[in-house]
Amino acid sequence: EAGVAQSPRYKIIEKRQSVAFWCNPISGHATLYWYQQILGQGPKLLIQFQNNGVVDDSQLPKDRFSAERLKGVDSTLKIQPAKLEDSAVYLCASSPREGIRETQYFGPGTRLLVL
Amino acid sequence: SQKIEQNSEALNIQEGKTATLTCNYTNYSPAYLQWYRQDPGRGPVFLLLIRENEKEKRKERLKVTFDTTLKQSLFHITASQPADSATYLCALDKGGGSQGNLIFGKGTKLSVKP
Repeated sequence: EAGVAQSPRYKIIEKRQSVAFWCNPISGHATLYWYQQILGQGPKLLIQFQNNGVVDDSQLPKDRFSAERLKGVDSTLKIQPAKLEDSAVYLCASSPREGIRETQYFGPGTRLLVL
Repeated sequence: SQKIEQNSEALNIQEGKTATLTCNYTNYSPAYLQWYRQDPGRGPVFLLLIRENEKEKRKERLKVTFDTTLKQSLFHITASQPADSATYLCALDKGGGSQGNLIFGKGTKLSVKP
């Protein structure tokens, strides 16, 4: 079984530029998560999807961050415009079933550096 | 306010000894708690899940305890090996009907010396 795929693995941009990250979850997984992990911290949830609907986006800075999950499969996370404090690893995770508390399967992450 | 604390940023032990990592939380009532392992440059990998009505869970050399009175979980690795060196994250369910929504601690970096 293929794991969670993310691209790109690394990205360097200047502040005020925009950037997008892509995630392909494990096939058949209904729930998809985006996390932000700042160096030395644990992952912080940004947004949770079930199929293509948003379950929780309470910690997503909506003035600059947006995310979508078309057709309930792949997802993209966008930052526009980026700030220095957005430098972090962006992790995508998926879990199998709707509404069931499950373990989460993480991708390798995208490491973003904002200069 | 709600907090999760992993009481050591780093833990250094000798190969063959038992590593014990601690996770404390306040102002949560989680239905379950999970432990993940994270290696540098990689995403976290699930290790164990323990529910609020379970006292202890084991998997090979790993053991987790969960004390909802003390609001604490202990994670043990017995007969530790250098390959166990990694950062270990505890994560708990937000409770209150949240669906898979996890809150992570900062992690404890374990180094096992040969």
